[in-house]
Amino acid sequence: DQQVKQNSPSLSVQEGRISILNCDYTNSMFDYFLWYKKYPAEGPTFLISISSIKDKNEDGRFTVFLNKSAKHLSLHIVPSQPGDSAVYFCAASDGGTSYGKLTFGQGTILTVHP
Amino acid sequence: DTGVSQDPRHKITKRGQNVTFRCDPISEHNRLYWYRQTLGQGPEFLTYFQNEAQLEKSRLLSDRFSAERPKGSFSTLEIQRTEQGDSAMYLCASSSPVRGVDEQFFGPGTRLTVL
Repeated sequence: DQQVKQNSPSLSVQEGRISILNCDYTNSMFDYFLWYKKYPAEGPTFLISISSIKDKNEDGRFTVFLNKSAKHLSLHIVPSQPGDSAVYFCAASDGGTSYGKLTFGQGTILTVHP
Repeated sequence: DTGVSQDPRHKITKRGQNVTFRCDPISEHNRLYWYRQTLGQGPEFLTYFQNEAQLEKSRLLSDRFSAERPKGSFSTLEIQRTEQGDSAMYLCASSSPVRGVDEQFFGPGTRLTVL
């Protein structure tokens, strides 16, 4: 039972353009959502998060959008840079900001070409 | 380096052997998590501790798996009678909810290969 799904295994974009990574979830109890980035041979690194009481959160080049009615969130990276090339994981929790365990999606490999 | 560390980074074992992994969290973090990641999948939650108390265990954590955090600092994850299906990356993360948001910091993982 995949409660968090990232349906695009990979995404390729040109440097300077926008990268949009998508994530869908099925558990309506999820109330906190996060994006992690992972480079090879390293553990995932926290990128940005959003609470279910918001529909948008921005941090520099990264913006996360949440559509609760569609159970969908997306991560926008603008402008994309070659250093953004990594695996991106969407994660969710039902514990609010003190969220405890995370449920992760399968990941999307982002490649940003110079 | 004040990040989460895991030891060993790689472990190759034969089926049926026991293995033990260690995780050293960030020193002021009172929560410690274990996740497992297989190829092409995201991390899957196994268990977590608040200080030395094990608060939640996934049903993925069969009887062959045991985790401890005896003094609320480092943690060990032991797998007994390993099976080929146990081959995966085992990730440890730590956090400190007193900071407000429970941001989990991950270690580099221990890659287990069961032959």
